[in-house]
Amino acid sequence: QQQVKQSPQSLIVQKGGISIINCAYENTAFDYFPWYQQFPGKGPALLIAIRPDVSEKKEGRFTISFNKSAKQFSLHIMDSQPGDSATYFCAAGYAGNMLTFGGGTRLMVKP
Amino acid sequence: KAGVTQTPRYLIKTRGQQVTLSCSPISGHRSVSWYQQTPGQGLQFLFEYFSETQRNKGNFPGRFSGRQFSNSRSEMNVSTLELGDSALYLCASSLGAAGYEQYFGPGTRLTVT
Repeated sequence: QQQVKQSPQSLIVQKGGISIINCAYENTAFDYFPWYQQFPGKGPALLIAIRPDVSEKKEGRFTISFNKSAKQFSLHIMDSQPGDSATYFCAAGYAGNMLTFGGGTRLMVKP
Repeated sequence: KAGVTQTPRYLIKTRGQQVTLSCSPISGHRSVSWYQQTPGQGLQFLFEYFSETQRNKGNFPGRFSGRQFSNSRSEMNVSTLELGDSALYLCASSLGAAGYEQYFGPGTRLTVT
């Protein structure tokens, strides 16, 4: 069974702080690692994605760090804002557009 | 560009019935994937279509099926509904065949009573 394990399940961060969410995968065939943000009642929205040939990718306040040897990747949200409060999913993909998702992290950013 | 649209947004069905959900991908996108989201199992891949062909299928029973039309629009069908089929069904579209960004629609909330 291909799995992507995500932690923590929930996270509370003060406004302006750094939110860090971690994921680990098993299948070394995975070659695409996106992060999604989901608000209640909405579909997941693509935030940022990385491929295993780079170790870090930054887009605005969002950064993915990727460790191929450890089979781990993480999302860092800098200067977290109350509007970032949402559920975040990591995912891994290969063989086309089939994604395996982590279990999700519910982030709350306190004002 | 318009995003991914799904219809209907909400649906209530009775156990044993069948249901058809529809998805219109982003204009120019040729790949459509379907996912089931539940509180217990999270987001799980159902199947993917590209150029009217099913390319990948997740670990779901044969009651779950789908198809894609020549205009890339897709439908999924669930026959003989069970209570456990209650979920948010999400459609995602991608530009091409492999490893492209997937953009999700708002989903169809299916409730089976």
